[in-house]
Amino acid sequence: GQQVMQIPQYQHVQEGEDFTTYCNSSTTLSNIQWYKQRPGGHPVFLIQLVKSGEVKKQKRLTFQFGEAKKNSSLHITATQTTDVGTYFCNSGNTGKLIFGQGTTLQVKP
Amino acid sequence: DTGVSQDPRHKITKRGQNVTFRCDPISEHNRLYWYRQTLGQGPEFLTYFQNEAQLEKSRLLSDRFSAERPKGSFSTLEIQRTEQGDSAMYLCASSPSRGPAFFGQGTRLTVV
Repeated sequence: GQQVMQIPQYQHVQEGEDFTTYCNSSTTLSNIQWYKQRPGGHPVFLIQLVKSGEVKKQKRLTFQFGEAKKNSSLHITATQTTDVGTYFCNSGNTGKLIFGQGTTLQVKP
Repeated sequence: DTGVSQDPRHKITKRGQNVTFRCDPISEHNRLYWYRQTLGQGPEFLTYFQNEAQLEKSRLLSDRFSAERPKGSFSTLEIQRTEQGDSAMYLCASSPSRGPAFFGQGTRLTVV
């Protein structure tokens, strides 16, 4: 079945540095969803991208959906300690919303 | 509160006992999902419903696990004859069809 791969699995950055996580699929995606899970918390929906080449921003977070709708990225500018957590990408292509291991971000103050 | 709610938040049970968890989804959402999550792992898909119909159940799930959504609203997840390996966070989420999922805070199960 379809699988969305996410890299890197872990990222440690110094506070103030930028961070990017990538989501890749071998097949065209109908949409891409991004979630954040804080340590000890539950996944929280961040954003959904639907259109080819779409770019959306939420404060310091920039989300992109590739032109071919096979990849996506989440970029955080000037990380803060509040950005710590695991970021998951997911596709609504299939009904069951499979989550991978995500990218775990650690921010060193 | 109009979010997804799960009950109980914590459950400690002895090995071999049965447990049942409840999930109340966002009212207008027709899809409901159950996941299991252990430390350092992403949410592992267990099963999902479209209204009252159970559309898919993970092949990794033993027959000790069963889920219901009898009226297309709340759902229950039952684990029979619990084992220590069942200790995990059990997450419920709901969504509109093909829309994003909104999660509850989960039920943390500890089997002793």
